[in-house]
Amino acid sequence: NAGVTQTPKFQVLKTGQSMTLQCAQDMNHEYMSWYRQDPGMGLRLIHYSVGAGITDQGEVPNGYNVSRSTTEDFPLRLLSAAPSQTSVYFCASSRGQGTAQNTGELFFGEGSRLTVL
Amino acid sequence: AQSVSQHNHHVILSEAASLELGCNYSYGGTVNLFWYVQYPGQHLQLLLKYFSGDPLVKGIKGFEAEFIKSKFSFNLRKPSVQWSDTAEYFCAVNAFYNTDKLIFGTGTRLQVFP
Repeated sequence: NAGVTQTPKFQVLKTGQSMTLQCAQDMNHEYMSWYRQDPGMGLRLIHYSVGAGITDQGEVPNGYNVSRSTTEDFPLRLLSAAPSQTSVYFCASSRGQGTAQNTGELFFGEGSRLTVL
Repeated sequence: AQSVSQHNHHVILSEAASLELGCNYSYGGTVNLFWYVQYPGQHLQLLLKYFSGDPLVKGIKGFEAEFIKSKFSFNLRKPSVQWSDTAEYFCAVNAFYNTDKLIFGTGTRLQVFP
């Protein structure tokens, strides 16, 4: 199993450009989420999805869009990048609610480092 | 909403020293608690978790954590650290009956010197 796969691993953007960070998982997990990691601030939840067709906002959703058309994929879109979005982005997945002994344990991808100039 | 505080931002130890990293959470209901570790240049991996039962939880690589409900704490411990434990450690919490949002603390950077 590949687990959670993120692409690209590195990206440099100019202010105002748009891009999509891709995330795919092959564990048939219902739940997927995006976090950003910044020094001294830990990981902050951007958006999450409890299943195909369902998304919701996390702690810091502004400036980001998501969609969940399939169970496997959960792309994160930056419509107009800003320097404040320079960060490392992690995608994570877990078994959905209602699953026996589900505790919400997350499985993380390797991260995407984004720099906005 | 739940929140997590990790008061130790940077800890420096020599090999064989004992380790305790603090984690306090804020939430009025039943919770699941986690410690994740991020080795340099790698993604986060689960170290251990608590969801019910014995409040003393043992994880991988000799780590353990104790859930003290009255103190809203879930401190991470290891009796004798190794150089390979150099990493960043994150405490996280979600609500037991609604696990949608896993909230992380700000992390503790551990450096272990030989």
